Amino acid sequence: SAVISQKPSRDICQRGTSLTIQCQVDSQVTMMFWYRQQPGQSLTLIATANQGSEATYESGFVIDKFPISRPNLTFSTLTVSNMSPEDSSIYLCSVDESYTGELFFGEGSRLTVL
Amino acid sequence: AQRVTQPEKLLSVFKGAPVELKCNYSYSGSPELFWYVQYSRQRLQLLLRHISRESIKGFTADLNKGETSFHLKKPFAQEEDSAMYYCALKQGAQKLVFGQGTRLTINP
Repeated sequence: SAVISQKPSRDICQRGTSLTIQCQVDSQVTMMFWYRQQPGQSLTLIATANQGSEATYESGFVIDKFPISRPNLTFSTLTVSNMSPEDSSIYLCSVDESYTGELFFGEGSRLTVL
Repeated sequence: AQRVTQPEKLLSVFKGAPVELKCNYSYSGSPELFWYVQYSRQRLQLLLRHISRESIKGFTADLNKGETSFHLKKPFAQEEDSAMYYCALKQGAQKLVFGQGTRLTINP
């Protein structure tokens, strides 16, 4: 099973700034996803990070707000741009190694925007 | 629209009692459903999937297409079962849609 490392694990940011979250996987994976979990809410898929091409965003999420990079099969970044308090969430990186629906998750990045 | 509903945000049972976490879904195609679990201070992980029809840690879940349900059950709860449980529906080739989650607490 894939081992996923996320950085930072938590951060406190000021309104209007941007933060980039990194996701490193210990093996090459095709499918990599970014989820958001707002306080008291479920996990919501932000986008699928595609290697070598633009990410595929879900309804309600746009590239200008959540730019994603996927330079290779083991690494991805998610940037939360121009942050507001509503962006305070846990952001989770996940991978699907085998197209079975079994996702492996990072430990999450807890972001607080003041 | 595809949707997963877990009607109980919180569920508390006594050790040794049966436990059932409810999950209902709406999906136009043939559903693939999963239960994920997050123990305290651990990352979210797969508990079981309906395709494999297996029992994990004493838990089972049966897909009932007539009732569009995928309830998670265990006949005798243990304290280590206390966790957050999420029901999830596979949408398309690879995306998962998650329910709101149920926090299960097993009382000694």
